[in-house]
Amino acid sequence: GQQVMQIPQYQHVQEGEDFTTYCNSSTTLSNIQWYKQRPGGHPVFLIQLVKSGEVKKQKRLTFQFGEAKKNSSLHITATQTTDVGTYFCAGPRSTNAGKSTFGDGTTLTVKP
Amino acid sequence: EAQVTQNPRYLITVTGKKLTVTCSQNMNHEYMSWYRQDPGLGLRQIYYSMNVEVTDKGDVPEGYKVSRKEKRNFPLILESPSPNQTSLYFCASSLQANYGYTFGSGTRLTVV
Repeated sequence: GQQVMQIPQYQHVQEGEDFTTYCNSSTTLSNIQWYKQRPGGHPVFLIQLVKSGEVKKQKRLTFQFGEAKKNSSLHITATQTTDVGTYFCAGPRSTNAGKSTFGDGTTLTVKP
Repeated sequence: EAQVTQNPRYLITVTGKKLTVTCSQNMNHEYMSWYRQDPGLGLRQIYYSMNVEVTDKGDVPEGYKVSRKEKRNFPLILESPSPNQTSLYFCASSLQANYGYTFGSGTRLTVV
């Protein structure tokens, strides 16, 4: 079945360092979504990418959708302690639009 | 405020005692879905609903039931809970399937 894999599983950085998480799908995605879940919280929608090669920015966060629409990345520039949490990507199933597959997430910790 | 409201937030119950977790959204969203989140297993979809009276199974539907009689409500029913259903449950909604989801705050269920 369709799989969405994220790497790395964990990332520990010093405050001010950059951070990147990668999302890879076994099939082509019609779109990809990114979410952030703070410790003890619920996933919060960050952004959706639809077009091949699309790049979107939200302040220090840069999201990319691969040309083949099978991979995506989230890059955070100059991390802050407020960036702590788990970042998930998610995409619709190619065989069933009602179903979505979430990656296992990348958990980011930031040392002040 | 646009939100997805889940109740209860915490629940401890005994094996076999029927329970319902309620979910309500005030955004007039067509799509709603239930997920469970377990350590090491990420977010797994239980059931989803494309619209009123339209529900379908996700990846882990065994032991759960849902209904969608009104657009705003999507309760999750455990007819005979078992310890392996101990988990963190999230309800989510979106305008349509695979747009960005708005998640509820979660329900932490323990079945003893």
